[in-house]
Amino acid sequence: ETGVTQTPRHLVMGMTNKKSLKCEQHLGHNAMYWYKQSAKKPLELMFVYNFKEQTENNSVPSRFSPECPNSSHLFLHLHTLQPEDSALYLCASGTAYEQYFGPGTRLTVT
Amino acid sequence: GEDVEQSLFLSVREGDSSVINCTYTDSSSTYLYWYKQEPGAGLQLLTYIFSNMDMKQDQRLTVLLNKKDKHLSLRIADTQTGDSAIYFCAEREGGSYIPTFGRGTSLIVHP
Repeated sequence: ETGVTQTPRHLVMGMTNKKSLKCEQHLGHNAMYWYKQSAKKPLELMFVYNFKEQTENNSVPSRFSPECPNSSHLFLHLHTLQPEDSALYLCASGTAYEQYFGPGTRLTVT
Repeated sequence: GEDVEQSLFLSVREGDSSVINCTYTDSSSTYLYWYKQEPGAGLQLLTYIFSNMDMKQDQRLTVLLNKKDKHLSLRIADTQTGDSAIYFCAEREGGSYIPTFGRGTSLIVHP
């Protein structure tokens, strides 16, 4: 078991909805990540937080808004998404030499 | 920028050995990883190797690193149907919190 949990596991939302994805890690790591995984595309790094500070924003559209209130929790707030945002959203936590992933949230935008 | 390349598919017969290959371009890579992703799941860290090693073995898994050629491989002995998954190679520089991933190799194990 990786010790990284994500909720919800599945989410269907309309383009006008607002929803949030939650990630929690119980491994004592100081870094947390959001990735997007779409079919037939490479894994895309979205955001990185290190000691609660955002250190990476990979040109992600503003309709995705991350929040890291403490080093154990990470959120991804979603609003006015597009159908092409449908994907598996993976959270990970890590240190300077290893990284562990959660099971992901399968997001469908209708 | 850094690049990690893998072939997209590998098909093997149950009981045979599988060898998944990866090449990378960053000569500063310090850590190299293999992850496994089963359908509908996240990436599971299988094993990793430091750049000052050339081999690591863990039960059925053997990782070989040729640092001169920037080539990493994962050998799975006695491959089982449960090994069917996508395998990702990744590398990272020492001190960096951001690994670079390959596109993944889909391993198909048939009877």
